[in-house]
Amino acid sequence: DAKTTQPNSMESNEEEPVHLPCNHSTISGTDYIHWYRQLPSQGPEYVIHGLTSNVNNRMASLAIAEDRKSSTLILHRATLRDAAVYYCILRDPPLIQGAQKLVFGQGTRLTINP
Amino acid sequence: NAGVMQNPRHLVRRRGQEARLRCSPMKGHSHVYWYRQLPEEGLKFMVYLQKENIIDESGMPKERFSAEFPKEGPSILRIQQVVRGDSAAYFCASSPPSSGRAGELFFGEGSRLTVL
Repeated sequence: DAKTTQPNSMESNEEEPVHLPCNHSTISGTDYIHWYRQLPSQGPEYVIHGLTSNVNNRMASLAIAEDRKSSTLILHRATLRDAAVYYCILRDPPLIQGAQKLVFGQGTRLTINP
Repeated sequence: NAGVMQNPRHLVRRRGQEARLRCSPMKGHSHVYWYRQLPEEGLKFMVYLQKENIIDESGMPKERFSAEFPKEGPSILRIQQVVRGDSAAYFCASSPPSSGRAGELFFGEGSRLTVL
């Protein structure tokens, strides 16, 4: 899987928007961009994914640069429960249909101040 | 619809003992993945299994570790002759058989192994 680069940590205030950046300059044309997060003492959970167009869901928005070499996860109004490690992951097309092997990097540790 | 179930949630073993971690995937899911997370580190892929088959074990240590996903029953990650360095959180994830390239993984809460 292609490599991604994220800041080690970020800090924000409650009820403010948060923009989490991810660089993936070696992304290939078929790589999907996935975001997962891991709350303290829990397993990772899916946040959002996209290929080329910006995406929105109930948890977050994903803004993808036109050249796809970077993306930004946007939490529109952070709460204390959003404090977690956020992982940006590129997904190769699987060798076997249905395979979803993900390679996690170090992620960004997001701290939310009350 | 129950999520991915892992047990035990916490396991304490002495050096040299065996640890068995179990994972029941979500209903209808036929793909299981095991990850290990050492203290203060990221998740490392260990192994990917389908029913009765190991598809990718590129992240498994060469010795003492094994995994299976039988036709009936949960997937099991077995660690023989545990050492202190095996202390970690072990996470299981599952995905449905036809989720395609953009599908998501569903993770369990993890099993935390402590080796004394």
